[in-house]
Amino acid sequence: DSGVTQTPKHLITATGQRVTLRCSPRSGDLSVYWYQQSLDQGLQFLIQYYNGEERAKGNILERFSAQQFPDLHSELNLSSLELGDSALYFCASSTPGPGELFFGEGSRLTVL
Amino acid sequence: AQSVTQLGSHVSVSEGALVLLRCNYSSSVPPYLFWYVQYPNQGLQLLLKYTTGATLVKGINGFEAEFKKSETSFHLTKPSAHMSDAAEYFCAVSDKTQGGSEKLVFGKGTKLTVNP
Repeated sequence: DSGVTQTPKHLITATGQRVTLRCSPRSGDLSVYWYQQSLDQGLQFLIQYYNGEERAKGNILERFSAQQFPDLHSELNLSSLELGDSALYFCASSTPGPGELFFGEGSRLTVL
Repeated sequence: AQSVTQLGSHVSVSEGALVLLRCNYSSSVPPYLFWYVQYPNQGLQLLLKYTTGATLVKGINGFEAEFKKSETSFHLTKPSAHMSDAAEYFCAVSDKTQGGSEKLVFGKGTKLTVNP
């Protein structure tokens, strides 16, 4: 158990819809990262938050947004969903510095 | 930007045989390097990491990796494969973002199959 909690574990929705994925980091970790894992693209970095502020942006689509709340949990919002958004979305947390990321078990999104 | 190449998307070995998973990186600065393992329906778990110091790094479950700067490689090895090692393995390099923080850039992964 990494200590990172993600909900929901599975989500099935239709094209054009909007979903919210939730992540609670490990106790004491201020950084939250979101990654997308798909068969064709592998693990792609989406966005990072540190103590409530956006720190880095990766290959995140404009239809996607995220935020980190004062209690440090984070949400990833995916809107106007397309078939290609079907993927496993991972949240990870870390302590400051170039160290290890602790990953949650992921949220598997299926867009039909 | 840093990048990682994992040679071989699938590797198959017999139980008890040597495991060798290859990783090459591209980095303009001394890299921090990681190997993660992903078991089915689970998140990624750190196997080992190299930051500074000794270039031979030992990790969990009997795995080790050697940082070779001249070859820009960080190959993962285990002397004797066990059935429980069957999983997908990801090599990653730490990359500085524009904001000055660090993120991990992952390779495409290598799926390891262990045959009885």
